[in-house]
Amino acid sequence: SAVISQKPSRDICQRGTSLTIQCQVDSQVTMMFWYRQQPGQSLTLIATANQGSEATYESGFVIDKFPISRPNLTFSTLTVSNMSPEDSSIYLCSVGASTDTQYFGPGTRLTVL
Amino acid sequence: KQEVTQIPAALSVPEGENLVLNCSFTDSAIYNLQWFRQDPGKGLTSLLLIQSSQREQTSGRLNASLDKSSGRSTLYIAASQPGDSATYLCAVFQGAQKLVFGQGTRLTINP
Repeated sequence: SAVISQKPSRDICQRGTSLTIQCQVDSQVTMMFWYRQQPGQSLTLIATANQGSEATYESGFVIDKFPISRPNLTFSTLTVSNMSPEDSSIYLCSVGASTDTQYFGPGTRLTVL
Repeated sequence: KQEVTQIPAALSVPEGENLVLNCSFTDSAIYNLQWFRQDPGKGLTSLLLIQSSQREQTSGRLNASLDKSSGRSTLYIAASQPGDSATYLCAVFQGAQKLVFGQGTRLTINP
């Protein structure tokens, strides 16, 4: 199994600002994923973060709004840019290999005022 | 487009009962299916992974089944305990390592 940590665990931000969320894994992994869970909703995949290449975004998510970095095989960041109250969600990173079990971090609870 | 549905949305049972949570998916071309548990305000804990070639997986009091042809999976919890109270999510791997999640079943076990 993989142990995943995220920072910050929660934050309250003002409209129009940006927040960068960090995800650290205790082992090297090829694929890292970023999900969003809006209040009362299930999880939706934002993008897949590949080391050494551009992130792959799902329909409805764009790089300008959610830029992602993947500088090495154990770390990734997701930035939520120009935030609005609609961005209030839990943001989770996950890791997995091929079709094996995916493991999730504890999540970052974001509230935008 | 794959859609995953979980029924019921919420379930409340007395402690000690056996219960079944249901998950259905529209596209049977899946690689595998994973059940998760989410406690309020927390991340996801993986419970069971069923490969597409398997029919069921067991872990302790949990048993998950998979019927790809009918697009269904069930999570059976035996002898439920208050500590089992959480939201249970099923998710299918829909190619390229992408997980598609259901809306979850919010389970409450009453002492």
